[in-house]
Amino acid sequence: DSGVTQTPKHLITATGQRVTLRCSPRSGDLSVYWYQQSLDQGLQFLIQYYNGEERAKGNILERFSAQQFPDLHSELNLSSLELGDSALYFCASSVVSRGAGEGNTGELFFGEGSRLTVL
Amino acid sequence: AQKITQTQPGMFVQEKEAVTLDCTYDTSDQSYGLFWYKQPSSGEMIFLIYQGSYDEQNATEGRYSLNFQKARKSANLVFSASQLGDSAMYFCAMRELDNAGNMLTFGGGTRLMVKP
Repeated sequence: DSGVTQTPKHLITATGQRVTLRCSPRSGDLSVYWYQQSLDQGLQFLIQYYNGEERAKGNILERFSAQQFPDLHSELNLSSLELGDSALYFCASSVVSRGAGEGNTGELFFGEGSRLTVL
Repeated sequence: AQKITQTQPGMFVQEKEAVTLDCTYDTSDQSYGLFWYKQPSSGEMIFLIYQGSYDEQNATEGRYSLNFQKARKSANLVFSASQLGDSAMYFCAMRELDNAGNMLTFGGGTRLMVKP
């Protein structure tokens, strides 16, 4: 158990709809990352938040948005869903925001993912 | 250009055989970190091993070791005596120091299948 909690685990919805994925990071971790993994592909970085502020942005579509709340949980909002948005969405957390400190590899701890199916 | 390249999309090995999973990377940073993660069929991402660019020794973590060849920009994952439970996707990833954040860039993965 990584300590990162994601809900829901599975979600089936229709094209054009909007969904919200939720993530609670490990206790004490200030950074939250969102990744998308399409079928049989690697993980694509979407966005990172650190202590409530957006820190880095990857290949995130304009239809997608995210935020991190004062209690450090994060939500990823996906709107106007298309078939191609079907994927496994991972949230990860780490204690650092940038680079790694002494003795800290800066590894990311991943949740179990939210599997989104758009029909 | 791809930052992380894993040239073996899939490979079969016999149980108890040694395994080497290839990973090459591309960066102009002097300081970076390399990671390997395992993703079993259940989907979760499990951290296996880390190598810092300034580490002179190859990283080892239990059954896993990382064959780090800095000049060749390769960071292969090695484990001996494969087990059936090693069947999974394996991802190599890199963190570059000049990232605005701390995100990892992942390769496309290698699907390892261990045969009994």
